[in-house]
Amino acid sequence: RKEVEQDPGPFNVPEGATVAFNCTYSNSASQSFFWYRQDCRKEPKLLMSVYSSGNEDGRFTAQLNRASQYISLLIRDSKLSDSATYLCVVNPGGSQGNLIFGKGTKLSVKP
Amino acid sequence: NAGVTQTPKFQVLKTGQSMTLQCAQDMNHEYMSWYRQDPGMGLRLIHYSVGAGITDQGEVPNGYNVSRSTTEDFPLRLLSAAPSQTSVYFCASKEGGVSYSGNTIYFGEGSWLTVV
Repeated sequence: RKEVEQDPGPFNVPEGATVAFNCTYSNSASQSFFWYRQDCRKEPKLLMSVYSSGNEDGRFTAQLNRASQYISLLIRDSKLSDSATYLCVVNPGGSQGNLIFGKGTKLSVKP
Repeated sequence: NAGVTQTPKFQVLKTGQSMTLQCAQDMNHEYMSWYRQDPGMGLRLIHYSVGAGITDQGEVPNGYNVSRSTTEDFPLRLLSAAPSQTSVYFCASKEGGVSYSGNTIYFGEGSWLTVV
């Protein structure tokens, strides 16, 4: 099992749709979790952290299920500007602090 | 705020040539790292550093060298370029040393390298 797995997509959705991305991680001791957004030919940027209690930022909701080692990102009322690749990122803990990146899920929002 | 600055943005190399990708950050971050990103492969860690004078290998270190003489700079050297090193390279930095306490990792804008 790969360390961080995501459905690569692409997800093609119309404006206004709700779309959900899933991510699984293999290391049960992982400490923290994030969603990053990467636009075409740009660097990744933090979208939001993911907390055990779930957290929401406007149209975006992130959830963590430690028992199932599963992270999700829900985008409501999709906008054209949401088109990007969404990276699931995990901090496995330990002494290094290096993050593990999923390969990303590509989202394309159409008019 | 400059954040993380990488140069050059684009570079074409011939097989066997050497070059250095420069990376500088002005946020006084202890942790810096280099990633490469290839289609279908995601971001892969090349080398990282948790402070001046301290470097370590990541997932794909072969063919690359790094050094960290100052907190601000973390150059990546390609010793003898090969076509397999054609990729997009990202430098990144974050607060904190060996433990990640949830602080954001900041990326440079990327360096597009082609080896012919």
